[in-house]
This record gives sequence, structure tokens and C-alpha cells, in this order.
Amino acid sequence: AQSVTQLGSHVSVSEGALVLLRCNYSSSVPPYLFWYVQYPNQGLQLLLKYTTGATLVKGINGFEAEFKKSETSFHLTKPSAHMSDAAEYFCAVIQGAQKLVFGQGTRLTINP
Amino acid sequence: GAGVSQSPSNKVTEKGKDVELRCDPISGHTALYWYRQSLGQGLEFLIYFQGNSAPDKSGLPSDRFSAERTGGSVSTLTIQRTQQEDSAVYLCASSGNRDEQYFGPGTRLTVT
Repeated sequence: AQSVTQLGSHVSVSEGALVLLRCNYSSSVPPYLFWYVQYPNQGLQLLLKYTTGATLVKGINGFEAEFKKSETSFHLTKPSAHMSDAAEYFCAVIQGAQKLVFGQGTRLTINP
Repeated sequence: GAGVSQSPSNKVTEKGKDVELRCDPISGHTALYWYRQSLGQGLEFLIYFQGNSAPDKSGLPSDRFSAERTGGSVSTLTIQRTQQEDSAVYLCASSGNRDEQYFGPGTRLTVT
């Protein structure tokens, strides 16, 4: 069965600094991987996804992630943090009949 | 176009009562999912509907939970004889292809 581990339940960065949110997956088949963002009292919004092809994928709001099979990782990055990036971020993998298996989430705080 | 909508946005109920949560998916989306988000368990898959196929109920935590999808569109999640551990945010998602799931804002259920 596929699973996802997010390293760090809380990450704090200064405004303008690099954002790095870590995600490692476990999968017996080529994975489909996703990053979702959740703002307070809202649902989940898709940031980006990896299915096949190019391993560096770009998403909304300046985020990108790189699929590294050798490291079983799919870390999320953004070169320069903005106050509006403060939210909870979830890494997920598709399992079986298209159901998402989520990591435990990482809460991102941006310091002014 | 309109996104996934859920109602009610908040529901407070007494232990032992039944509740119904509603999801209106994006028009034309054939797949519909229910997930639960709670502090202790994170984001968990509950049930998945795809077209006219039998639903995947593998994530339902007990036989007190059931869901139906009428006419391939609106879905209702029913929890009978609610317990305090049922308190959570219930998220609905729909998909028009096998990759991207679009989430509603959720229903926050509080069992007192």
C-alpha cells in the first residue's frame, strides 16, 4: 500500500526566504503525487501534481516540486515566501481506485 | 464554474442523534469522494463513487456510517447514533478525470 510521510509538522520561515516542505512516499508502483494547500476554515486546493513525464512540476502561487525516484521524495519549494503562503500543506499519493492517501500535513508560518 | 458545495457548513448534534451531510459535486464530474479530517487521525478516505459502479466503502469506520449518491450527482453521508469521536470536518471531493480531485469547503461536525 502507498503511504506518505511529511517531515516536520510545523515549518516557520521569514518573509522572502526559501520555503522547503518535505515529503517522502512509499509505493510499489509508479506513484501519482500531489500537494494540496488548506487555508483556515477552507477546503483543500490543489497546488500541483506529478503523474508522468517531467520530474520538476510547477504549480500555482509560485510553488514547484521535484519528483526524485531514487530518493522517493517529492519536496515542495518556493523561492521567496509571502505572508499569504501561511497555511497547512498536505502531500498525497493516489492509491488503488483513485483515493488519496495524505501525509499528516505541515503547517507553514511566515514571519514578517 | 461552480465548485463543490457542501451543506451545512457547521453541524452541532447531540450524542446518539443521526446526521446527514450533503455534497453537490462539480457538474459533469463522475467521481465523488468523502474524506474525514480530524485532529487525531489527519485526513482519511471514507468512500468513493464512480459513475454507476458499486461504491468503494473500504474507508467507512463503522456500520453507523453510510453514503449514497442519487442520479450520479448529489451525495449524502449519513452517520447514525453519533458518537463524540465522530466530531471532525467531513470533506467532499469530485473528479472529472482520474487525477485531480476538487474539494468542497467541508462540514464541521461537533457531537456534544
